[in-house]
Amino acid sequence: GESVGLHLPTLSVQEGDNSIINCAYSNSASDYFIWYKQESGKGPQFIIDIRSNMDKRQGQRVTVLLNKTVKHLSLQIAATQPGDSAVYFCAEKVDGNKLVFGAGTILRVKS
Amino acid sequence: KAGVTQTPRYLIKTRGQQVTLSCSPISGHRSVSWYQQTPGQGLQFLFEYFSETQRNKGNFPGRFSGRQFSNSRSEMNVSTLELGDSALYLCASSTGGGETQYFGPGTRLLVL
Repeated sequence: GESVGLHLPTLSVQEGDNSIINCAYSNSASDYFIWYKQESGKGPQFIIDIRSNMDKRQGQRVTVLLNKTVKHLSLQIAATQPGDSAVYFCAEKVDGNKLVFGAGTILRVKS
Repeated sequence: KAGVTQTPRYLIKTRGQQVTLSCSPISGHRSVSWYQQTPGQGLQFLFEYFSETQRNKGNFPGRFSGRQFSNSRSEMNVSTLELGDSALYLCASSTGGGETQYFGPGTRLLVL
């Protein structure tokens, strides 16, 4: 379905800990998924993507896991830093180039 | 490479007016998509342009329209503004072949 932004869940982590942000997607036919980070006053910034023929993809300090059976995505951030504080969105590509976004998760990093 | 740029960054309009927003994609990108972001509805797809043609459209009224020029720059227009059109309007560019979309900083529109 379409993104519905209501009350965003918040994840609070201590600096240096690992963070895991979860996302459920809606369309079982989606073949491409992206995680974005949005800081206050800025547009979404690409973090990492994954195609449906993969279960896991790693970047620098980030890992995305895809479970197609239950239509679930997760973003793992290792050694979370204060600069990681932002709203994180998952997005699935449907119907051509259209992205459908999740509601977002607020990540707060405590120093 | 320069990123996606959007102008203006901020706009204040009154109900009933119309507004035009501009987006310049990353050099070499031929696809430009527009999204509306509000606290209540989150990020929602408006439309996508590729090679000067609208390739996809979201569920927005006909007051929302767009176009793309031969240099891939895109504009979106909202006519007869309503209070509910107050939002952050984001554009994203990509090569158009299904790869990652990169977003601009957005235009913050306030309708009074």
